[in-house]
Amino acid sequence: DAKTTQPNSMESNEEEPVHLPCNHSTISGTDYIHWYRQLPSQGPEYVIHGLTSNVNNRMASLAIAEDRKSSTLILHRATLRDAAVYYCILRSTTQGGSEKLVFGKGTKLTVNP
Amino acid sequence: KAGVTQTPRYLIKTRGQQVTLSCSPISGHRSVSWYQQTPGQGLQFLFEYFSETQRNKGNFPGRFSGRQFSNSRSEMNVSTLELGDSALYLCASSPVAGPLYEQYFGPGTRLTVT
Repeated sequence: DAKTTQPNSMESNEEEPVHLPCNHSTISGTDYIHWYRQLPSQGPEYVIHGLTSNVNNRMASLAIAEDRKSSTLILHRATLRDAAVYYCILRSTTQGGSEKLVFGKGTKLTVNP
Repeated sequence: KAGVTQTPRYLIKTRGQQVTLSCSPISGHRSVSWYQQTPGQGLQFLFEYFSETQRNKGNFPGRFSGRQFSNSRSEMNVSTLELGDSALYLCASSPVAGPLYEQYFGPGTRLTVT
């Protein structure tokens, strides 16, 4: 199964950009890269996902390396409400229709005022 | 539209007992997944149901089981509870199954086994 590797923690200052890396060197062609975040005492929340091309939405941007072995979640201007654990997740539909779900350990992001 | 609801929110059980947790997905969502979250192991996938059928199962012992009803509501059951089953159990729903679709998580049920 494909695995993801993330730094255990990162720190940022408010209103500065944050780049959260994720390594997935054994990613397969059918794996989608999803990012979720979990605020304290809450269930995880979807952030963004992509397959090969970079993606943007109102919350963040996802930059995917050309060889797809790594990706970076970009928060353009961090706020205190962005302090959370960010998970990089590979989701794939294998032949036969079943789905693999592989979680990283997550990166705890601290945002300083 | 109401979010994913899970009941109960907190539960204390004794070793050897069994427990049933309930999840009501967002209206119209047909896929429900269950996860276990512990400080040591992080988020681990338990199983996924779509249209009352289990589509995928994680690496958990047979003591963990689940089902989905025709209205998409889902339950998971843990029999013969062990201390290590103490965890936050999260339910997530999505419109259909598959990697293209985001999952919406509930607040979780905090299970403590004593």
